[in-house]
Amino acid sequence: DTAVSQTPKYLVTQMGNDKSIKCEQNLGHDTMYWYKQDSKKFLKIMFSYNNKELIINETVPNRFSPKSPDKAHLNLHINSLELGDSAVYFCASRGEAAYEQYFGPGTRLTVT
Amino acid sequence: SQQGEEDPQALSIQEGENATMNCSYKTSINNLQWYRQNSGRGLVHLILIRSNEREKHSGRLRVTLDTSKKSSSLLITASRAADTASYFCATDAGGAQKLVFGQGTRLTINP
Repeated sequence: DTAVSQTPKYLVTQMGNDKSIKCEQNLGHDTMYWYKQDSKKFLKIMFSYNNKELIINETVPNRFSPKSPDKAHLNLHINSLELGDSAVYFCASRGEAAYEQYFGPGTRLTVT
Repeated sequence: SQQGEEDPQALSIQEGENATMNCSYKTSINNLQWYRQNSGRGLVHLILIRSNEREKHSGRLRVTLDTSKKSSSLLITASRAADTASYFCATDAGGAQKLVFGQGTRLTINP
């Protein structure tokens, strides 16, 4: 009964490639997030969607494009991957009128 | 810029001892949360404390908040090997929709 799931768990790819990470939550939450955690464990928000609508778009290169086909899914597509994109990407969700967020297991992206 | 800073960055103690981690932040908040991250896993919410609260307990966890000093502490009593993880504080300083995380304290409990 995984609450927030991400696929794939590991992704190794070469510079210049395009890749996608998928996220699904079965908690019935309206709000979903993408975070990037760097090698120093610093976790920074990238995007947030509320009921399929983009509400937060931090200073992220436009090579990163989130897509929410429905409120239970939030995917992240990355074009022209660069070495600096190597990190762990976390999806999270939050219920309405709640503060705590529920995180997925993460996707470790390695760009070579 | 990064909102929260945890102190210490790393802490190693013996099983059964208490572990205290601190978090400082820079701007006004409505609430502060603590999360745990086991190695290779996602973050798990532990506890939330509101700005009008000074202390909160949950099992072996005790959180304090001092809004005048813009700081919070997380105390884990009677530590266990399973408490080995990184602990992060997060504030809503970015707005109700957005959490701003510190860099975490890496806690190691030695058996």
